[in-house]
Amino acid sequence: ETGVTQTPRHLVMGMTNKKSLKCEQHLGHNAMYWYKQSAKKPLELMFVYSLEERVENNSVPSRFSPECPNSSHLFLHLHTLQPEDSALYLCASSQAVGFNYGYTFGSGTRLTVV
Amino acid sequence: GENVEQHPSTLSVQEGDSAVIKCTYSDSASNYFPWYKQELGKRPQLIIDIRSNVGEKKDQRIAVTLNKTAKHFSLHITETQPEDSAVYFCAASPGNQFYFGTGTSLTVIP
Repeated sequence: ETGVTQTPRHLVMGMTNKKSLKCEQHLGHNAMYWYKQSAKKPLELMFVYSLEERVENNSVPSRFSPECPNSSHLFLHLHTLQPEDSALYLCASSQAVGFNYGYTFGSGTRLTVV
Repeated sequence: GENVEQHPSTLSVQEGDSAVIKCTYSDSASNYFPWYKQELGKRPQLIIDIRSNVGEKKDQRIAVTLNKTAKHFSLHITETQPEDSAVYFCAASPGNQFYFGTGTSLTVIP
């Protein structure tokens, strides 16, 4: 798969578990994003990274912890989640933050918290 | 911050008819307006975009119009086909991030 790759595609976790979502982009982009997609709601921006530096954190609870070790990889570490955190988590990348180029999205991780 | 509203939330059209999806935005600083198509179980994909210095843009059966004064922009799909069935998202960007609409579920009936 080319472009933006997310793993796993599906994840079921208990409220006390710790898990991580992974995103990898092969496009040479400098910006990466985490979005949450819930039914009947707009795509919610969670975090923005530019050249491995976090530039935006949209009031996301601390049970979500992002990590960007390099410009090609982005992780979302999850711990003590709530059932309302069940959603599709989408990773996206773009050439740069602040320049209006379209995003390239990954296929998402469908997360279910039980 | 920016607030994007999208209508309708669901839309059904007969194959061959046109479909129109409308979005409004609140921040006059927004200058880039992409549209994304998300088929069931798949990732959102950019289908067309428009910048604030342009009033209309066309790409085959898809067109987008922008009215900066009224702060609204629309997606037009002509001669719809069953493969156009998907959820369509509009977005507005003042430059730092995208603000998305709530999506329109389009069903094209064969």
